[in-house]
Amino acid sequence: DGGITQSPKYLFRKEGQNVTLSCEQNLNHDAMYWYRQDPGQGLRLIYYSQIVNDFQKGDIAEGYSVSREKKESFPLTVTSAQKNPTAFYLCASSIKREAEQYFGPGTRLTVT
Amino acid sequence: GNSVTQMEGPVTLSEEAFLTINCTYTATGYPSLFWYVQYPGEGLQLLLKATKADDKGSNKGFEATYRKETTSFHLEKGSVQVSDSAVYFCALSGGYGGSQGNLIFGKGTKLSVKP
Repeated sequence: DGGITQSPKYLFRKEGQNVTLSCEQNLNHDAMYWYRQDPGQGLRLIYYSQIVNDFQKGDIAEGYSVSREKKESFPLTVTSAQKNPTAFYLCASSIKREAEQYFGPGTRLTVT
Repeated sequence: GNSVTQMEGPVTLSEEAFLTINCTYTATGYPSLFWYVQYPGEGLQLLLKATKADDKGSNKGFEATYRKETTSFHLEKGSVQVSDSAVYFCALSGGYGGSQGNLIFGKGTKLSVKP
């Protein structure tokens, strides 16, 4: 079955540690995205990538980094510079940038 | 720039009631419009979409019509079930409002359906 996988489902880290969230898709989509969702809030775009080896900052990129070395994979690193990293992180992909996006199941990150 | 405004929730209905969740948008040009649903603890699922004026998107008993004259894309369902309890997001892409082609989401409307 085609889809988007994110792992792990739950992640716990100590303050000051970097952590990398995985996102893989087998939909053969060119574009991939990372969003952050806080309780009771909408989605905020962190980074997006339209093609391999290229990505752009979204609305809240500070304290985050990404890479896009393969079409299928778009990992997100939450660095120690991110002031409030505890959140629900969603990865998505689309066949092209303006098309509908398909979402993974999300990773809930808790930093204490 | 482009934007999406949804009615604030939470919305609480009894089973078999009629549902309307209002969504209006601001955009120049001809954006595509979407409704997504998010069940607790899960990612978003595409519920329906419409890509041009007067298009009606439909899925699982939900419908929404792209109304350019009123810049609206209201979500409706004739008879809700407890299993429809979720958060619903309206979104748009395209047009000329500076979204850079990415989706712009509303803040979401939480629906609770009581038996």
